[in-house]
Amino acid sequence: EAGVVQSPRYKIIEKKQPVAFWCNPISGHNTLYWYLQNLGQGPELLIRYENEEAVDDSQLPKDRFSAERLKGVDSTLKIQPAELGDSAVYLCASSSRQGRSYNEQFFGPGTRLTVL
Amino acid sequence: QKEVEQDPGPLSVPEGAIVSLNCTYSNSAFQYFMWYRQYSRKGPELLMYTYSSGNKEDGRFTAQVDKSSKYISLFIRDSQPSDSATYLCAMSKAAGNKLTFGGGTRVLVKP
Repeated sequence: EAGVVQSPRYKIIEKKQPVAFWCNPISGHNTLYWYLQNLGQGPELLIRYENEEAVDDSQLPKDRFSAERLKGVDSTLKIQPAELGDSAVYLCASSSRQGRSYNEQFFGPGTRLTVL
Repeated sequence: QKEVEQDPGPLSVPEGAIVSLNCTYSNSAFQYFMWYRQYSRKGPELLMYTYSSGNKEDGRFTAQVDKSSKYISLFIRDSQPSDSATYLCAMSKAAGNKLTFGGGTRVLVKP
């Protein structure tokens, strides 16, 4: 079974430029998460989707960040314009309950963003 | 103050030793408690999860949750160099909800 796929793996941009990250979850997983991980810290949730609906986006800085999950499968996270403080690893995760009492979140390898 | 506190380490142990990791938390609403392992430049992978209080064992790994003290632990027996990684505790209020992570503890197991 293929895991969570993210691209690109690395991205270097100059400040004020736009950037987009793509995530393809594990097949059949209806819940998709975007997390932000700063160096030396644990991941923090940016947004959670149930199918195509954003059900928790309270931590998403909506002035510059946007996300979409068309058709409830893959998802795109965008930053426009990027700032120096956005340099971090952006992790995508997916999960599915499927009758279990707990739905494990499976993480992708992340996209490492450097803003110069 | 962060909701979940974790000593950043690094924690250096000789091969074969027991590794002891722990986290404290402040929100009594947390019901699910997880330990993730993260290798450099990789995403976190789930090691153990526990629902509510109690102990859980899986091979060389033992997870403990004490909700009365808001304290969780992970023990790794017979540690191997391949166990060298960052260990993240995480918790959630309900299945499928967002995970709230600790900052991670770097562990180095020396041959």
